[in-house]
Amino acid sequence: QQQVKQSPQSLIVQKGGIPIINCAYENTAFDYFPWYQQFPGKGPALLIAIRPDVSEKKEGRFTISFNKSAKQFSLHIMDSQPGDSATYFCAASKTGNQFYFGTGTSLTVIP
Amino acid sequence: DADVTQTPRNRITKTGKRIMLECSQTKGHDRMYWYRQDPGLGLRLIYYSFDVKDINKGEISDGYSVSRQAQAKFSLSLESAIPNQTALYFCATSGTYPSPDTQYFGPGTRLTVL
Repeated sequence: QQQVKQSPQSLIVQKGGIPIINCAYENTAFDYFPWYQQFPGKGPALLIAIRPDVSEKKEGRFTISFNKSAKQFSLHIMDSQPGDSATYFCAASKTGNQFYFGTGTSLTVIP
Repeated sequence: DADVTQTPRNRITKTGKRIMLECSQTKGHDRMYWYRQDPGLGLRLIYYSFDVKDINKGEISDGYSVSRQAQAKFSLSLESAIPNQTALYFCATSGTYPSPDTQYFGPGTRLTVL
C-alpha cells in the first residue's frame, strides 16, 4: 500500500505560471514532509520541508501548504521559470525514521 | 568533490550475474540508504543502515543484500540479477546536522539487466 500519493504525474506550464503539485498521506504519525527536486542525470536534492505545527512555509519562490486535518500537502512554485523544469517528489516520515516517497511529478516550464 | 559518490555510474549485465553497487560518503553521516527509482513508481527504499552494526530492510529488499563496511561505505548486491531489477539506484545519507531528516543523494547508478 502506497503511503504517500502524489499528483499529477506530469505538468506543463508557461513561464510565470504557478504549478501546484499535491500529495496525500495516511499515517498520522508522520511529522516531517519534505519536497525533493531532481534534474536529469542527478540525484534528488532537498528543496523545502515542513512540519505539521505550521500550515505554510515559504522559501523564495517555493511554498508548501499543509492541511493536517485533510492529511494533504502541496508544493506551489511562484513565477515559474524554465530552470524549474525537473521532477519533484514529495515524501513523508516520522522523525528519524524511513522516508516514504511519492511517485514523482515531471514539471516542464515552457519559455 | 561530491560528498556522496556511487560506482559504477552505469552497468549493463546479464540475467543471473552477481552485481555490486558501491556508495561512499565524505559527509561523516551515520545513516545510509539504498533506493531504487522506476518511472511512475518514484523512489522506493531497499535497505538502510543507521550505523555500522545496524542493517534494516526497506520496502523492497527481496533479491538484494547490503554490506556496511565502514561508516563511509555502504554496498548493495544483487546476488542473481533479473531483468525486473533494471532501474536507477540511489544511495543517500543523513546525519544530525542540519537535521537527521535531511537526506543527501548520490548521482545514481543506472543498472540494466538483460
